[in-house]
Amino acid sequence: DTEVTQTPKHLVMGMTNKKSLKCEQHMGHRAMYWYKQKAKKPPELMFVYSYEKLSINESVPSRFSPECPNSSLLNLHLHALQPEDSALYLCASSQVGAELYGYTFGSGTRLTVV
Amino acid sequence: AQRVTQPEKLLSVFKGAPVELKCNYSYSGSPELFWYVQYSRQRLQLLLRHISRESIKGFTADLNKGETSFHLKKPFAQEEDSAMYYCALKPSNTGKLIFGQGTTLQVKP
Repeated sequence: DTEVTQTPKHLVMGMTNKKSLKCEQHMGHRAMYWYKQKAKKPPELMFVYSYEKLSINESVPSRFSPECPNSSLLNLHLHALQPEDSALYLCASSQVGAELYGYTFGSGTRLTVV
Repeated sequence: AQRVTQPEKLLSVFKGAPVELKCNYSYSGSPELFWYVQYSRQRLQLLLRHISRESIKGFTADLNKGETSFHLKKPFAQEEDSAMYYCALKPSNTGKLIFGQGTTLQVKP
């Protein structure tokens, strides 16, 4: 298995809802990432997990809460989001210390906040 | 500051023409550079990494430390090359990947 799988593919949520995005990989990668991508813009890093521990938080608002329950799974919990949070949320993974060999990206969850 | 600059938002060429997508970086250390491609409605895919000096789908990229550039080149563009191309920098000792703004390559028949 050489893929990063993200679910759901699409999500519409109200500003008072709580929802979660899920990311899974079975490549044995111990680094996992959340990126946010607005239309026609590059991905922007949100969080990095290394060996299931949060190593980078790019000053992301607390309404986004990441979780890495095990080495294959990465979640992003969403609560009280704003319409401007609507975007494509990408998950990626890589080998720790071997990032120069590249990152594998999922196809993303397209989030719309209404 | 760590930054990646892709000066062209859109590059439009005819099929069979040479292509060069420009990428300049700003980084004080030894850079690790990548090109990623995003075809319409598909996931972001790794195209090239500077350490491997490989050619993928006819594309090559050479790191020029003097000019702080990592331009992507292909001698003869194909219609299926039409996509968004991102140059990305990975600073040392961090898993972070910094993307340029991207260049849309449009190859016309």
